[in-house]
Amino acid sequence: DTEVTQTPKHLVMGMTNKKSLKCEQHMGHRAMYWYKQKAKKPPELMFVYSYEKLSINESVPSRFSPECPNSSLLNLHLHALQPEDSALYLCASSQGNTRIRGNNEQFFGPGTRLTVL
Amino acid sequence: KNEVEQSPQNLTAQEGEFITINCSYSVGISALHWLQQHPGGGIVSLFMLSSGKKKHGRLIATINIQEKHSSLHITASHPRDSAVYICAVRGGATNKLIFGTGTLLAVQP
Repeated sequence: DTEVTQTPKHLVMGMTNKKSLKCEQHMGHRAMYWYKQKAKKPPELMFVYSYEKLSINESVPSRFSPECPNSSLLNLHLHALQPEDSALYLCASSQGNTRIRGNNEQFFGPGTRLTVL
Repeated sequence: KNEVEQSPQNLTAQEGEFITINCSYSVGISALHWLQQHPGGGIVSLFMLSSGKKKHGRLIATINIQEKHSSLHITASHPRDSAVYICAVRGGATNKLIFGTGTLLAVQP
């Protein structure tokens, strides 16, 4: 299995809803990432987990809450989002420790298209 | 000035043409990635390079570490190659991926 899967593909939520995005990989990768991508812009890094521990938080608002229950799963819990949070949310994974320089190729999932009303 | 610059920003080609997309970067890197993203879609990793040249099918990627420059070439282009091509480098002070702004390619039949 050489892919990263994300569910759901599309999500529409209101500003008072609580929802979660899910990401899964079975490549034995120990680093997992959440990115946010607005239309016609490159992805922006949000969070990095390395060996199931949060290693990077790019000053993301607390209405986004990541969780890594095990080495194959990565969740992004959403609460009280704003319309400007509407975007494509991409998950990625790579082999190893992100703090070690090396050739860690990132494999991206298909993304979740989120619309906040 | 962005740490990763791509050119051109937009490119229209006729089917069968040879296409080149360029990427220049200003930071020290451990690897450079070429990524493909179809409209509204996820990202596919095409190549990861740290030196030299790689080829996969009709795609060729080269990197010149001394000049801090990489090129992505598409031979015999096809309308299904229409997508955004993103150059991203791993390195700099944080070792995170730094993305270019992408090149929107449209291949017309």
